[in-house]
Amino acid sequence: DTGVSQDPRHKITKRGQNVTFRCDPISEHNRLYWYRQTLGQGPEFLTYFQNEAQLEKSRLLSDRFSAERPKGSFSTLEIQRTEQGDSAMYLCASSLDTRGEQFFGPGTRLTVL
Amino acid sequence: AQSVTQLDSQVPVFEEAPVELRCNYSSSVSVYLFWYVQYPNQGLQLLLKYLSGSTLVKGINGFEAEFNKSQTSFHLRKPSVHISDTAEYFCAVTRSQGNLIFGKGTKLSVKP
Repeated sequence: DTGVSQDPRHKITKRGQNVTFRCDPISEHNRLYWYRQTLGQGPEFLTYFQNEAQLEKSRLLSDRFSAERPKGSFSTLEIQRTEQGDSAMYLCASSLDTRGEQFFGPGTRLTVL
Repeated sequence: AQSVTQLDSQVPVFEEAPVELRCNYSSSVSVYLFWYVQYPNQGLQLLLKYLSGSTLVKGINGFEAEFNKSQTSFHLRKPSVHISDTAEYFCAVTRSQGNLIFGKGTKLSVKP
């Protein structure tokens, strides 16, 4: 399967713990996006990368959140000192360019107890 | 700032009936428009997109959408739905930089 993959698919953690998610985009795609989706809402943009450069961050991305894309391949999203409000589905997508279709991964569902 | 409004949160419809899912957007600049579908426990899948050209866009699974600049709308239609079309549908907009702004979604429920 050459689609976008995300790991883990589910994560349950206690408030105050740190968590890290991984996204592997489609191999030739140079753009990688992170979104967050809460119950009853559409996905909300968090940040995106053009190759290894992080070009834009949403106001939703507080200083507890950090994302990296070393070498322009896979990406990680880390949340430090998790809060119950961080519970959501975290989606990753990749595309060839700005006008192209964004291909989404299955998401990582985070539950903060 | 851009925004997307999906006017119906839930749309129940009988099998083989036509359906229209409504989407309005606000933007002061030219935008690109998309419809995505999310089946239960699956990721988002692109149904169709409008980038330029013909305002009537055809997508997968028999869906089509019409871009109406004066009405700032991009409604999704299908002339005859199947049980398998039951899913949540998201309208999205972007400018040139590519990050998508999504609506809140419309849950389509097709009943036999």
